[in-house]
Amino acid sequence: SQTIHQWPATLVQPVGSPLSLECTVEGTSNPNLYWYRQAAGRGLQLLFYSVGIGQISSEVPQNLSASRPQDRQFILSSKKLLLSDSGFYLCAWSSGTGGYTFGSGTRLTVV
Amino acid sequence: GQSLEQPSEVTAVEGAIVQINCTYQTSGFYGLSWYQQHDGGAPTFLSYNALDGLEETGRFSSFLSRSDSYGYLLLQELQMKDSASYFCAVRGTYSGGYQKVTFGTGTKLQVIP
Repeated sequence: SQTIHQWPATLVQPVGSPLSLECTVEGTSNPNLYWYRQAAGRGLQLLFYSVGIGQISSEVPQNLSASRPQDRQFILSSKKLLLSDSGFYLCAWSSGTGGYTFGSGTRLTVV
Repeated sequence: GQSLEQPSEVTAVEGAIVQINCTYQTSGFYGLSWYQQHDGGAPTFLSYNALDGLEETGRFSSFLSRSDSYGYLLLQELQMKDSASYFCAVRGTYSGGYQKVTFGTGTKLQVIP
């Protein structure tokens, strides 16, 4: 069966520090992968999507970047975090049923 | 572009039926999906409608009317554990190998005894 792993679950980072969030998928090959951010009490905003290794598209200009070094690995990064980067970050893949399967999420607080 | 509207909050009694509506405006449409998200958790996929009509999965049903750009999620025999936020999402046109999905802002359902 297909599973998606995301870590860490929570993170508190100071302003100006770097960030690296990792997401891996098991049980499927060449998945479409996505990074979403959800502000408190809000909907989901698409940050990046990837249709294959090394292929990254950004939906909104921001302080973040993404990479896909392996078929089933998707990484979200920042060189210097801003306060506005705080939020709930979710990795997802298209599960072929018409919907997404989301990872468990990382709650990032930038202080 | 794509935009979706759904009520921000709904309150319903345990054991009752509740309907959460979603209207959308989109330049291309392939389907409407629904997600459930409990506080502090990640969204989980509930249903997907590509064609008009009602899809039933246990206590949950989802309806789509493409001509009206409208859909709803119907929850029957409400249980306290159904208290959560529910998001509709539109799957739109392809661009760069990716089929754009836009999420609504969510409806917070509170089930009361």
